[in-house]
Amino acid sequence: EIVMTQSPATLSVSPGERATLSCRASQSVSSNLAWYQQKPGQAPRLLIYTASTRATGIPARFSGSGSGTEFTLTISSLQSEDFGIYYCQQYNKWVTFGGGTKVEIK
Amino acid sequence: EVQMLESGGGLVQPGGSLRLSCAASGFTFSSYAMNWVRQAPGKGLEWVSVISGSGGNTYYADSVKGRFIISRDRSEKTLYLQMNSLSAEDTAVYYCAKGVYSGSLFFDYWGQGTLVTVSS
Repeated sequence: EIVMTQSPATLSVSPGERATLSCRASQSVSSNLAWYQQKPGQAPRLLIYTASTRATGIPARFSGSGSGTEFTLTISSLQSEDFGIYYCQQYNKWVTFGGGTKVEIK
Repeated sequence: EVQMLESGGGLVQPGGSLRLSCAASGFTFSSYAMNWVRQAPGKGLEWVSVISGSGGNTYYADSVKGRFIISRDRSEKTLYLQMNSLSAEDTAVYYCAKGVYSGSLFFDYWGQGTLVTVSS
């Protein structure tokens, strides 16, 4: 099983600042990596797939990068509605999710 | 508009069984692989199972293999998850999820989830 490790566990960011979330895979997943945002009581929302492709309707402030084992989700200018837990997911070999990064609004 | 509505969750005793349903609409159901993903209370996401659009191919996470069965009714546009030999570790919100493309394993639409609680 491919293990996905996210860091940091919690990130406190002021509105307007940049947020950088990391995701590491235990083995190469090529570019088969997605990012989701989840708010309390809601289903996850797809943000990014194939490591850097924004999903339909996702604002341009969200961007993804990386390949192989190291990936980054960047929120260029954090908005108040961006709070929540962010998960990375590999789908190179079936599916595994990272443990999540909680983004708090400072 | 794509919609997916899960049902069938509830309280079940350890060792018991439960069948979840996911009614889908707004897309060509038979063209897409469908998945179940679960989330234990306060925990992260765990992928459970996938079934191909035709229903002929299925795959399971090791944690549920041999106990859970995924199936689909193409005419009813409904996805199912038969869960047997349940234990406390199966307590979670169960989501059905649709791939972005016909066979993709990243998910653009999710149901609202149905809670399964395994407890005596």
